[in-house]
Amino acid sequence: KAGVTQTPRYLIKTRGQQVTLSCSPISGHRSVSWYQQTPGQGLQFLFEYFSETQRNKGNFPGRFSGRQFSNSRSEMNVSTLELGDSALYLCASSPSSGAGNTIYFGEGSWLTVV
Amino acid sequence: GQNIDQPTEMTATEGAIVQINCTYQTSGFNGLFWYQQHAGEAPTFLSYNVLDGLEEKGRFSSFLSRSKGYSYLLLKELQMKDSASYLCAVYNAGNNRKLIWGLGTSLAVNP
Repeated sequence: KAGVTQTPRYLIKTRGQQVTLSCSPISGHRSVSWYQQTPGQGLQFLFEYFSETQRNKGNFPGRFSGRQFSNSRSEMNVSTLELGDSALYLCASSPSSGAGNTIYFGEGSWLTVV
Repeated sequence: GQNIDQPTEMTATEGAIVQINCTYQTSGFNGLFWYQQHAGEAPTFLSYNVLDGLEEKGRFSSFLSRSKGYSYLLLKELQMKDSASYLCAVYNAGNNRKLIWGLGTSLAVNP
């Protein structure tokens, strides 16, 4: 069974640009979550999607957005990039949303904003 | 508030045993996860504790005490490949079903 796949793995963007990251969950998984990981802040929850609906949202500005497609694939977008957006962006999938579901992470997308 | 504390760094010797602690203060509790993350890689699932007590999985064991807001991950017969960051996360269904993550403990295993 293929794991969670994220693309691109590495990218460099300039301040003010926008970026779209893609995530394909494990086959059969309907819940997709996005996290930002930085050395000082650890894993910060961005949002969770289930059946194309946003279920939860973290404390990030509106520049961060996401969506989920009918095949459960998900994308997240960051507009007007800032230097502080440089981070590892992790996507995680689970069979469903709710209590105690183990989440499985992808390898992540390393974003550097210069 | 919601808070999870883990030691930032630990060092141990190959073949030894190490215990990584995690304490939490959260408004609710439904379970606690442990994940392992090697540098530059994705976090991988290690364990999920819901009830008090020790759960053993090979060289790794995880303990939970809900009354004390405390968990630990026990790694036995340490190997060099166990050098990684270990993340503790609390699931609180009352917190909009979000996971609350600790900052992780970076474990270095020396020969």
